[in-house]
Amino acid sequence: EAQVTQNPRYLITVTGKKLTVTCSQNMNHEYMSWYRQDPGLGLRQIYYSMNVEVTDKGDVPEGYKVSRKEKRNFPLILESPSPNQTSLYFCASSTGLAGVPRDEQFFGPGTRLTVL
Amino acid sequence: AQKITQTQPGMFVQEKEAVTLDCTYDTSDQSYGLFWYKQPSSGEMIFLIYQGSYDEQNATEGRYSLNFQKARKSANLVISASQLGDSAMYFCAMREGEANFGNEKLTFGTGTRLTIIP
Repeated sequence: EAQVTQNPRYLITVTGKKLTVTCSQNMNHEYMSWYRQDPGLGLRQIYYSMNVEVTDKGDVPEGYKVSRKEKRNFPLILESPSPNQTSLYFCASSTGLAGVPRDEQFFGPGTRLTVL
Repeated sequence: AQKITQTQPGMFVQEKEAVTLDCTYDTSDQSYGLFWYKQPSSGEMIFLIYQGSYDEQNATEGRYSLNFQKARKSANLVISASQLGDSAMYFCAMREGEANFGNEKLTFGTGTRLTIIP
């Protein structure tokens, strides 16, 4: 089944304790992205990657890191989490290939993170 | 300025009625794409429908259609014959620029919570 998976689905942690949220897709997609969803703000992009070893900042990158060492994986790293990073996080992927005008993004199930 | 505006925070609709969810957008790009996603209470984001800026016909996908009025910069989602399972949050989103050319970032609106009443 074509899908984007994220782990963990739920996480409660404390300020300053480094954590990683994993994201993996099995569709051979070039493009991957992380969003955070906050009430009243919709979803906002944190980081994106157009291909292996190619990553760049989105609209709200402060406090986050990413890496893209393999095509299928795009982990989100919080080196020193703070309470304002409490949010619902989504990983998404799309083909990123030319000739696909629609190229909708497929979203993972979400990771609900609480930082105390 | 907001790039995507959804002015209806919540809507209540009787089952089997049609419903229109409003979305207006703002961009100076000639090429862009408009998307609607559904987020049920379980939290996942489900793609519903897409409209390209150069598409001359309104998009349709089953019970979903998109009322695209380019000059007004609006892309309203129409759900025909609503069902109880349509109760969810609905997000309008825009991708600016050509697909597959750079960051394919989606800019989202704040969403409309739709509740279908039996």
